[in-house]
Amino acid sequence: DAGITQSPRHKVTETGTPVTLRCHQTENHRYMYWYRQDPGHGLRLIHYSYGVKDTDKGEVSDGYSVSRSKTEDFLLTLESATSSQTSVYFCAISDPTSGQETQYFGPGTRLLVL
Amino acid sequence: AQSVTQPDIHITVSEGASLELRCNYSYGATPYLFWYVQSPGQGLQLLLKYFSGDTLVQGIKGFEAEFKRSQSSFNLRKPSVHWSDAAEYFCAVGEAGVGKSTFGDGTTLTVKP
Repeated sequence: DAGITQSPRHKVTETGTPVTLRCHQTENHRYMYWYRQDPGHGLRLIHYSYGVKDTDKGEVSDGYSVSRSKTEDFLLTLESATSSQTSVYFCAISDPTSGQETQYFGPGTRLLVL
Repeated sequence: AQSVTQPDIHITVSEGASLELRCNYSYGATPYLFWYVQSPGQGLQLLLKYFSGDTLVQGIKGFEAEFKRSQSSFNLRKPSVHWSDAAEYFCAVGEAGVGKSTFGDGTTLTVKP
């Protein structure tokens, strides 16, 4: 299994509070991604990073920000959580510039916004 | 923009029967295609992938998939289903050089004893 961990694994928070999810990898892969998974929607890309301090938006980026200050960590922040952001969040890694096109996924974080 | 359609939301098969899960994609160039499986409460596990070459690809757990460019399809098959195959299956198309993927909405497989 790829060395990807996510923290926390479960979180309950209240509407309007900030939340930060962390993804940590030990594979030294250049690309990292945040997806959310909701019933009936599969996985949808929120943001991704193609290097330290290099990030780009995905298809559902509104209400989310990301940061990557070092290769191994990719943070997802909900500045002011809303109930619509209740979801399961998955981090993924790949390294297409080195021929590693396949994404490998972390175990997920279940977030409940009350 | 790329997209993936999994026409079957839910499929039920009997244990020992054959299985085919459908996947259709839309992508401007030669696609990178993937099938993942997800058990309840778990993460995604890669079953198989297609990048180029032989259009019939073999994966883990006895699964295979066939890439058909003319039909824009990448259907997943297994000749004999086991009860442990009950899970949700996702097809995805990847963007070459960027690695990010677009996923279908998934097909839930139920296996009857």
